Amino acid sequence: ETGVTQTPRHLVMGMTNKKSLKCEQHLGHNAMYWYKQSAKKPLELMFVYNFKEQTENNSVPSRFSPECPNSSHLFLHLHTLQPEDSALYLCASSQEKDYSYEQYFGPGTRLTVT
Amino acid sequence: EDKVVQSPLSLVVHEGDTVTLNCSYEVTNFRSLLWYKQEKKAPTFLFMLTSSGIEKKSGRLSSILDKKELFSILNITATQTGDSAVYLCAVLGGAQKLVFGQGTRLTINP
Repeated sequence: ETGVTQTPRHLVMGMTNKKSLKCEQHLGHNAMYWYKQSAKKPLELMFVYNFKEQTENNSVPSRFSPECPNSSHLFLHLHTLQPEDSALYLCASSQEKDYSYEQYFGPGTRLTVT
Repeated sequence: EDKVVQSPLSLVVHEGDTVTLNCSYEVTNFRSLLWYKQEKKAPTFLFMLTSSGIEKKSGRLSSILDKKELFSILNITATQTGDSAVYLCAVLGGAQKLVFGQGTRLTINP
């Protein structure tokens, strides 16, 4: 499989559930990102990992917890979410340290919190 | 606070028309501006611009940056129905933070 993959593609969860989103990149990149895309809002950068180290956390609530075990895998652990967290969650990767390089996006996970 | 504003938010044209999409920005320590096309889910990269006045071209798409006036335009000539998408502009500024605009939803009618 090539590029950036995300699983699951769709997820419905209750407010008390715990779930995880998975992202995997097969491009040999060293930087990975989580974005949130809500309806009628700009794409929001949530977390950045560079060489497995988290380099940015854009004031994201603690109910979102990222994990990057290696440079090819990125997880987003979810717990006690709110209905307003329903959105499309996109993962992306790019080459190394310069985020201005083109980012390759995964297909996204459509999350619905009930 | 860094800001990226795109206009128009929505545009409907006929196949064959030429369109111009706008992106203005206010960021500290500007590094680069990027354009993406988002059709169904994942955005795909179009252009990265770092220098003023140098046009980047790919087929019927072209883009240029004006760092003095703080804006960029994306032109699409001889539009086709396959160009229908949301076009996203993003700017990389200080602290290596990528800030996206709201996007322009382009619809090409046959």
